[in-house]
Amino acid sequence: QKEVEQNSGPLSVPEGAIASLNCTYSDRGSQSFFWYRQYSGKSPELIMFIYSNGDKEDGRFTAQLNKASQYVSLLIRDSQPSDSATYLCAVNRAGTASKLTFGTGTRLQVTL
Amino acid sequence: DAGVIQSPRHEVTEMGQEVTLRCKPISGHNSLFWYRQTMMRGLELLIYFNNNVPIDDSGMPEDRFSAKMPNASFSTLKIQPSEPRDSAVYFCASSAPRGLNTEAFFGQGTRLTVV
Repeated sequence: QKEVEQNSGPLSVPEGAIASLNCTYSDRGSQSFFWYRQYSGKSPELIMFIYSNGDKEDGRFTAQLNKASQYVSLLIRDSQPSDSATYLCAVNRAGTASKLTFGTGTRLQVTL
Repeated sequence: DAGVIQSPRHEVTEMGQEVTLRCKPISGHNSLFWYRQTMMRGLELLIYFNNNVPIDDSGMPEDRFSAKMPNASFSTLKIQPSEPRDSAVYFCASSAPRGLNTEAFFGQGTRLTVV
């Protein structure tokens, strides 16, 4: 079992719709959870992180965490063509100076 | 700050040659990570340093790979000898953990092609 699992996609949504990206993790000791966006040929960049159960909202983005189910999701409201990218989920076991473990990413395509 | 700086951006080399990738982390960041990204395996952590000390090198694929961090502002990843299966994008990232926020900032990557 992979430590962090994501559906590779592509996930195709029409412009203006809600995109829902999902991630599961195997280590119950994981404490911090991150969503990165990576455009083709570019480096990953952080969208948001979450460490408490529930929802965290930042603009059009909402991260959801359910530690009991070991599940993290990212919702993108009012999807735009510029949101088309690969979204990487990452988890961190401890809060200090420890490694981020990444999923393989979900490719999102927002269609006109 | 200019962010994490990697060089070279692109490297094409022949099988058997030595390759050295370089990284300058963000000033003040005390953790540095080397990742490798391929289509098949995604983003894999090779090694990470904390305060210039290697903490976990379990991701280093084999003895052909080595990494050093002689000071807080410089790190290298060396492959000797290189093989075609080493072709990938290599990212360096740095972070300054604050509580549960351990966001890593990535460099632009080095695209390595071994022919």
